[in-house]
Amino acid sequence: DGGITQSPKYLFRKEGQNVTLSCEQNLNHDAMYWYRQDPGQGLRLIYYSQIVNDFQKGDIAEGYSVSREKKESFPLTVTSAQKNPTAFYLCASSMDSFQLGGELFFGEGSRLTVL
Amino acid sequence: GQNIDQPTEMTATEGAIVQINCTYQTSGFNGLFWYQQHAGEAPTFLSYNVLDGLEEKGRFSSFLSRSKGYSYLLLKELQMKDSASYLCAVGNTDKLIFGTGTRLQVFP
Repeated sequence: DGGITQSPKYLFRKEGQNVTLSCEQNLNHDAMYWYRQDPGQGLRLIYYSQIVNDFQKGDIAEGYSVSREKKESFPLTVTSAQKNPTAFYLCASSMDSFQLGGELFFGEGSRLTVL
Repeated sequence: GQNIDQPTEMTATEGAIVQINCTYQTSGFNGLFWYQQHAGEAPTFLSYNVLDGLEEKGRFSSFLSRSKGYSYLLLKELQMKDSASYLCAVGNTDKLIFGTGTRLQVFP
């Protein structure tokens, strides 16, 4: 089945450690996105990539890094520089641009807790 | 700046109709999207409006007025499974900007 796979689903991290969240899609979508969701808040865009080997910062990129070496993969690293990393992280992809009504397809999310 | 406003919470009764409003002020506009998100799960796509007017899809309808920066999602014949958060999002060039979401609770 086509879809987006995020791993791990739950992750605990000690302060000062970097952690990488995996996102893989087999939908053949060009664009991929990382969002962060905090309790009672909407989704905030961290990074996005519209094509392999290219990505742009979203609204809250500080303390995060990404890579897009393959079309299928868009891993997110939460670095020790991120002041408040405990959150629910969602990866998404889309085939068409928003002008064409291209919807986002989301993975199941990764819940990161910093101890 | 970018601003998308929705009510934080709403309650309704099973079988009733509920309207969730969304107002937006964004630097660009490439369409308005509604997503449904059950607690602890990923959002799923509900509707898309790019022209003014009403789009109907089964029990759900979405309306857009671009001149007023306003949209609403109308849910008819409410069911218990409709208890979820409803996210309004605006397409802005090459990204989607989300509002904070409206948590809807449906009671029997």
